[in-house]
Amino acid sequence: QVQLQESGPGLVKPSQTLSLMCIVSGGSISSDRHYWSWIRQPAGKGLEWIGRIYASGITNYNPLLESRLSISLDTPKNLFSLRLNSVTATDTAVYYCASTPKGREGFDLWGHGTVVTVSS
Amino acid sequence: QSALTQPASVSGSPGQSITISCTGTSSDIGGYNYVSWYQQCPGKAPKLIIFDVTNRPPGVSNRFSGSKSGNTASLTISDLQTEDEGDYHCSSYTTTISRVVFGGGTKLTVL
Repeated sequence: QVQLQESGPGLVKPSQTLSLMCIVSGGSISSDRHYWSWIRQPAGKGLEWIGRIYASGITNYNPLLESRLSISLDTPKNLFSLRLNSVTATDTAVYYCASTPKGREGFDLWGHGTVVTVSS
Repeated sequence: QSALTQPASVSGSPGQSITISCTGTSSDIGGYNYVSWYQQCPGKAPKLIIFDVTNRPPGVSNRFSGSKSGNTASLTISDLQTEDEGDYHCSSYTTTISRVVFGGGTKLTVL
């Protein structure tokens, strides 16, 4: 059974880069059976899709974040990563990684989420 | 402001049925059968309860059902139980360059 686990710093200073990893266990990230996404949720608010990456390395990004965003695969380590540049307080949120089965939409598996606070 | 519109809150009594709406456009809900619904309990990650408008993942109660009419999708929860309390989010595939859009979430209270 595939499981996802987010990892990364909980505190990032304004203007710096937010970097998170999603460690995938119980399945291969390169098997082309899933798409891999990042989603975030500010406290008390709704979900916001950040972007996703396919096993091929092709990415789709939320246009509101695209200029600051990079999502990549690390196949040997079986994880995928998020980098968000030039962060501000509005980037403070719970960040989730999630997967979508190929050929469908919707996120069937989620990590537990990790809180990231942008503050000096 | 979220791309899909949901009511901020709904409530019902145990044993009753409630419906949560999710309204989009012809570029998302109206154009594709790729609507999903998620249940989120406080402090927890969302859990997929409906995908592709009407389908339930294994293990999800048949008290949860989904439907769609035009640009509006709906989640119905029948025989409400206290453990159904939480936030419910809809999402849809979209032909805009964003690919995925969410609603703002609906808080369900079981009185």
